[in-house]
Amino acid sequence: SAVISQKPSRDICQRGTSLTIQCQVDSQVTMMFWYRQQPGQSLTLIATANQGSEATYESGFVIDKFPISRPNLTFSTLTVSNMSPEDSSIYLCSVERGQETQYFGPGTRLLVL
Amino acid sequence: GQQVMQIPQYQHVQEGEDFTTYCNSSTTLSNIQWYKQRPGGHPVFLIQLVKSGEVKKQKRLTFQFGEAKKNSSLHITATQTTDVGTYFCAGPEKGNTPLVFGKGTRLSVIA
Repeated sequence: SAVISQKPSRDICQRGTSLTIQCQVDSQVTMMFWYRQQPGQSLTLIATANQGSEATYESGFVIDKFPISRPNLTFSTLTVSNMSPEDSSIYLCSVERGQETQYFGPGTRLLVL
Repeated sequence: GQQVMQIPQYQHVQEGEDFTTYCNSSTTLSNIQWYKQRPGGHPVFLIQLVKSGEVKKQKRLTFQFGEAKKNSSLHITATQTTDVGTYFCAGPEKGNTPLVFGKGTRLSVIA
């Protein structure tokens, strides 16, 4: 099984600022995924991050708002830029555990004031 | 695009009662997956069903995949307080990723 850690675990931010979330995996993985889960809602995929290439963004999410880095096979960052209260969510990274199933990190709980 | 629907949205049961949540996809799925998210936690993988009509059991949990590979159900027998959480189904469209998650069923168990 993969062990995934995320930093920070939670944060309270002012609108207009940016926050970078880190995701570290204890083994090398090809694909890492970033999800958003708004309060009481389901999981929505933001983007897929592959090492050595640009992230692939889902409809409704753009690189300027959610820039992603994937410098190696065990690490990725997601930045939430120019935040507004609507960005208050849980942000989760995940990795494939095999056969298209996923392990999720513990999440970053973000509150934007 | 693909949509995955779950019902009910909420379910409150007395401890010991049974519970079922249903999942329906707008498109045929290559597989269906179930995840559980405890309050304040993150989604944890429970099981994956791949074959048409497949049924799998994990102790008190029974998972089914429909013959048309467009629907699934999770049934919990004799619920316990440890079953509390939100249960999500998820599936990739046939031959594609990423996963599309249903909205989840939030289960409350009253002791």
